[in-house]
Amino acid sequence: GDSVTQMEGPVTLSEEAFLTINCTYTATGYPSLFWYVQYPGEGLQLLLKATKADDKGSNKGFEATYRKETTSFHLEKGSVQVSDSAVYFCALSEGGNNRKLIWGLGTSLAVNP
Amino acid sequence: SAVISQKPSRDICQRGTSLTIQCQVDSQVTMMFWYRQQPGQSLTLIATANQGSEATYESGFVIDKFPISRPNLTFSTLTVSNMSPEDSSIYLCSVERLEETQYFGPGTRLLVL
Repeated sequence: GDSVTQMEGPVTLSEEAFLTINCTYTATGYPSLFWYVQYPGEGLQLLLKATKADDKGSNKGFEATYRKETTSFHLEKGSVQVSDSAVYFCALSEGGNNRKLIWGLGTSLAVNP
Repeated sequence: SAVISQKPSRDICQRGTSLTIQCQVDSQVTMMFWYRQQPGQSLTLIATANQGSEATYESGFVIDKFPISRPNLTFSTLTVSNMSPEDSSIYLCSVERLEETQYFGPGTRLLVL
């Protein structure tokens, strides 16, 4: 079945460092891809999404490009802040009649001042 | 997006008791989902709740343990029955809006003693 694989954490960076969190997927169809963020003690928030190949999702300085050839949706940010410390989840939607989200295990990010 | 509220936000319960979690959305939605997130882990889908039909449960989850109601297009409840410490978790509801995107409530943090 469909699956999502994220790089393991925790990831620890200094403020203003460049961030990459890798996410690859396997899917039989043409899924939509998502990044969600969970700040400490809070619920999940949609960070960005892409619905078709070569789409780039972006929000709050984060970007991810839907790469069908490499089945990837890596999350990047050019300069992280302490406030970006959170757990980041990659997910895919199988689409069609199956509306389930398939989740990665999450990557914890800690940004130090 | 969607504004989603959950009640209670947290609770401490004794084993053998039941807790009903409410999820309220600010607009009508067809599909609502209930997830469990155990400490430090990713999300696990419990069931999909569509108005006017019985909930569809994922493997490992049964209606007797997690009965769900969906009386209208803006409201759903999840009951955790006959609780044990293993049910200690965060329970999240979500709704689907445009382009297969799910939006999440703030979660209910449950501790079973």
